[in-house]
Amino acid sequence: KQEVTQIPAALSVPEGENLVLNCSFTDSAIYNLQWFRQDPGKGLTSLLLIQSSQREQTSGRLNASLDKSSGRSTLYIAASQPGDSATYLCAVTNLYKLSFGAGTTVTVRA
Amino acid sequence: GAGVSQSPRYKVAKRGQDVALRCDPISGHVSLFWYQQALGQGPEFLTYFQNEAQLDKSGLPSDRFFAERPEGSVSTLKIQRTQQEDSAVYLCASSPQPIQGADTQYFGPGTRLTVL
Repeated sequence: KQEVTQIPAALSVPEGENLVLNCSFTDSAIYNLQWFRQDPGKGLTSLLLIQSSQREQTSGRLNASLDKSSGRSTLYIAASQPGDSATYLCAVTNLYKLSFGAGTTVTVRA
Repeated sequence: GAGVSQSPRYKVAKRGQDVALRCDPISGHVSLFWYQQALGQGPEFLTYFQNEAQLDKSGLPSDRFFAERPEGSVSTLKIQRTQQEDSAVYLCASSPQPIQGADTQYFGPGTRLTVL
């Protein structure tokens, strides 16, 4: 069974600092890896999707890397803002099933 | 355009009651998924539909859980004889194509079920 782990579980930083969120998974036979954002009381919003053949994806201040052989991904958020405060979830796809980590809850202090 | 919608947003049930949770996927989306998210955890896969066919129900925790999508659009997740351990947020997601592993899934806001 695919196991996905996210470290740290929570993170608090001052505004402007860069964020580094880590994700690891046990089974490297994945189709892709996604990073989601979850706000309280709301659903998940997909931030970045990295295909298994790719090494990284970028969108604005977000950059995600994937090392499939070692089972690791890192999400970088540059110049954090209070609006970045949310829970960030990593998920890997085996065929159609998404396997999620428990998330990293980020607080950006103004 | 309209996203995935779910109703009700909140449901409180007494232990032993039956509940029905509704999901309206994005119009035209072929694939539909249900996930269960316990407090402080990531979502866990429950079941997958391609149009009206339920292709995978391996994640349903017990035979008290039943899902259907009779016309290939709206889906209902039914839980019979609810137990306290069923308390969770139930998320629905849809995707435009039969899943080939490359498409993202679009999530609804979820239904928070509390069983007393």
